[in-house]
Amino acid sequence: SQTIHQWPATLVQPVGSPLSLECTVEGTSNPNLYWYRQAAGRGLQLLFYSVGIGQISSEVPQNLSASRPQDRQFILSSKKLLLSDSGFYLCACPSSGTGLYNEQFFGPGTRLTVL
Amino acid sequence: SQQGEEDPQALSIQEGENATMNCSYKTSINNLQWYRQNSGRGLVHLILIRSNEREKHSGRLRVTLDTSKKSSSLLITASRAADTASYFCATAGGAAGNKLTFGGGTRVLVKP
Repeated sequence: SQTIHQWPATLVQPVGSPLSLECTVEGTSNPNLYWYRQAAGRGLQLLFYSVGIGQISSEVPQNLSASRPQDRQFILSSKKLLLSDSGFYLCACPSSGTGLYNEQFFGPGTRLTVL
Repeated sequence: SQQGEEDPQALSIQEGENATMNCSYKTSINNLQWYRQNSGRGLVHLILIRSNEREKHSGRLRVTLDTSKKSSSLLITASRAADTASYFCATAGGAAGNKLTFGGGTRVLVKP
């Protein structure tokens, strides 16, 4: 089964600073990859998903961007952070890799606080 | 907007009691999934029920799905303190394609 790594685990950044969060996946090839954000005490909001290298779909307009430079690497970025970017960021991929309609495995998450 | 909405938002029970939470959704789905999240951690998949299934069991978990009412329930029997967590439903398929759409979650506290 897949293992998803995320780093850093926690991050405190000032408003206006850049951001780079990384997600890497082991145990599968050519997986669909997803970035979610969870505000405190809330559910998950899908931000981006990718079905392959260089292919990114954005779900909500925002201050963030995503890139997929390698098959098992998914990066979430921002040029200038806003206070509203604070949250818990989770990377996920389906159990079968491309897995339409399968359960998803989640990484441990990155807790971002923008001050 | 959220596809799934959980009810109640929070639940407090004694160890040994059963915990029931519900999820409602709005559009057609391929399946509905339940996840658990311990405080500050990633989500763990619990159970997946497909649109042509009505009930599914996994250990102390029982999930039902009523597609005519667009609703699902998760029952945790004989709860333990370790079941304390937030529980989320998520829908897949239909209008959302191969993406999961999550509800706001139910926070469950099991008191020893």
